[in-house]
Amino acid sequence: QLQLQESGPGLVKPSETLSLTCTVSGGSISSGSCYWGWIRQPPGKGLEWIATIYYSGSTYYNPSLKSRVTIFVDTSKNQFSLKLNSVTAADTAVYYCARHWYGSGNYYPDYWGQGTLVTVSS
Amino acid sequence: SYELTQPPSVSVSPGQTARITCSGDALPKKFAYWYQQKSGQAPVLVIYEDSKRPSGIPERFSGSSSGTLATLTISGARVEDEADYYCYSTDSGGNHFYVFGTGTKVTVL
Repeated sequence: QLQLQESGPGLVKPSETLSLTCTVSGGSISSGSCYWGWIRQPPGKGLEWIATIYYSGSTYYNPSLKSRVTIFVDTSKNQFSLKLNSVTAADTAVYYCARHWYGSGNYYPDYWGQGTLVTVSS
Repeated sequence: SYELTQPPSVSVSPGQTARITCSGDALPKKFAYWYQQKSGQAPVLVIYEDSKRPSGIPERFSGSSSGTLATLTISGARVEDEADYYCYSTDSGGNHFYVFGTGTKVTVL
């Protein structure tokens, strides 16, 4: 059974960089039919798609976050990661990593991690 | 930027039918996907490609799409279906920009 697990600091100071890693188990991140990505959810609010990456390194970003976000993959560790620069309180959210299955010209999250709360505060 | 609009809330009695709509300009050309999120949990995919149901999802969940409106239907809603529901899709620009809908709180009581 495919499992994804987020890891990283739960508290980040304003203006600093948020860094999270997702470890994939029960399957290979190099699977040709999948992208891998991040989604976040501020407390009490809706879901926001952040970015996805293919194992070869091809990336797609939410235009509203593109200037501050980097997603990258480490196939040797079966992990992918997210960096978000210059964070503010508005970046406080539960961050989910998810496998994005590619089908019929679209990719969509089908397996999710449990999520990790990241709070931006001094 | 592209937006998918959902009603904030839908209420239904147990055993009745709940319908949740998702409005988006690109839906005539793009598939809609639906996620169920119970309190404190990660979302779960309940419908993909407008109307297909993943393995393990009860038959009472169904989806349809017509024009700019996608609809998730819960037939014979149960108390355990109470959750937030989100649609998901992409715009028609081919730039792989994906969005979630605004979300709908479904109350079954």
